[in-house]
Amino acid sequence: GAGVSQSPSNKVTEKGKDVELRCDPISGHTALYWYRQSLGQGLEFLIYFQGNSAPDKSGLPSDRFSAERTGGSVSTLTIQRTQQEDSAVYLCASSLGETAIYEQYFGPGTRLTVT
Amino acid sequence: GQSLEQPSEVTAVEGAIVQINCTYQTSGFYGLSWYQQHDGGAPTFLSYNALDGLEETGRFSSFLSRSDSYGYLLLQELQMKDSASYFCAVRDPGNTGKLIFGQGTTLQVKP
Repeated sequence: GAGVSQSPSNKVTEKGKDVELRCDPISGHTALYWYRQSLGQGLEFLIYFQGNSAPDKSGLPSDRFSAERTGGSVSTLTIQRTQQEDSAVYLCASSLGETAIYEQYFGPGTRLTVT
Repeated sequence: GQSLEQPSEVTAVEGAIVQINCTYQTSGFYGLSWYQQHDGGAPTFLSYNALDGLEETGRFSSFLSRSDSYGYLLLQELQMKDSASYFCAVRDPGNTGKLIFGQGTTLQVKP
């Protein structure tokens, strides 16, 4: 079946502009996760959704970051007033549920470059 | 807080066996996962250990010792395609939806 998809695959934006990143999880996966990965670094957790609910938003780096999920499916991560330090690969993952957190399926990521 | 320690780089030759270690510190432990990530690619799930002992999946095995807060990933019959980064991960006991990843071990397989 189809895996996790993300769009766009690449995004170049000017400092100060807003961007929206989209994630389509695997059908039937109720849990969805967003991570950020800088070059050569590990994965930095941003936020997760169980259904449409995000119980803990403390991983978001600043109030310029927000995320939502609708219909228990598609999720968007929005970064307002982008800064150069926001440049990274943004990865989305999904799992069957919160109890399956250990087995996450990742999308190909969106490479964000802020100039 | 929670932390994981992995070696940053490991080098081995094709056909050999390599072990990638992971030590963790966490106030509550629910299991250890391993992921593989090829350069420019997405992380892919390899294994999960909740209990002590060895789990084998083909050429890859994963081991956990909860008393030592330690685990490892064992790769046998190394192939060039195994060159990748390998991450261990644990769940944040304070956030049921958060996985904490180590910084990753870059494995280079040489001919």
